[in-house]
Amino acid sequence: ETGVTQSPTHLIKTRGQQVTLRCSSQSGHNTVSWYQQALGQGPQFIFQYYREEENGRGNFPPRFSGLQFPNYSSELNVNALELDDSALYLCASSPGLAENTGELFFGEGSRLTVL
Amino acid sequence: GQQLNQSPQSMFIQEGEDVSMNCTSSSIFNTWLWYKQDPGEGPVLLIALYKAGELTSNGRLTAQFGITRKDSFLNISASIPSDVGIYFCAGIRSTFTGANSKLTFGKGITLSVRP
Repeated sequence: ETGVTQSPTHLIKTRGQQVTLRCSSQSGHNTVSWYQQALGQGPQFIFQYYREEENGRGNFPPRFSGLQFPNYSSELNVNALELDDSALYLCASSPGLAENTGELFFGEGSRLTVL
Repeated sequence: GQQLNQSPQSMFIQEGEDVSMNCTSSSIFNTWLWYKQDPGEGPVLLIALYKAGELTSNGRLTAQFGITRKDSFLNISASIPSDVGIYFCAGIRSTFTGANSKLTFGKGITLSVRP
């Protein structure tokens, strides 16, 4: 069973740039969610994708957008980067909405630094 | 912002001791979960609680879902060095399957275990 994988693991960008982070969900999982974890904080929900459609969004501006592909992998895009966007971005997959147990399987994250 | 309260920020215990962590909220959550995050990793689920008053064990871990649905505790007995890490409580508001599994996380408690 392949776990959740994310790329890249680390990246540095400057203010105003755009970034794309990628995530492959665990085998058999069709739901992917993204979380932002600032230093010293708990993860904060950005949004969730189920069957290629956004299914719930947290308190993040529209410059945070995402995609889910037919193979259930996902991308997180952030436009017009700000210094406060520096954080660990976690992708998590789960088996599906019908089996909503709250158990999420997290990847190791992509650490974004905005200078 | 964060709606689950965890304190203190850090705890230091001796190997072999028991430790208890609390998580409180001003809002009702219908599912409570406890996750652990090791350095450089994503959070991993330890215990999930689905019913008010429920007491659940997983090896040396025991957790309870408060009767008011506004709190939960996690107890670790006979701590060992590999218990070191950050412990997060998380809650889900929705009560029905098919809803997104948006998790609200606390800020986490960093546990250190002295040999």
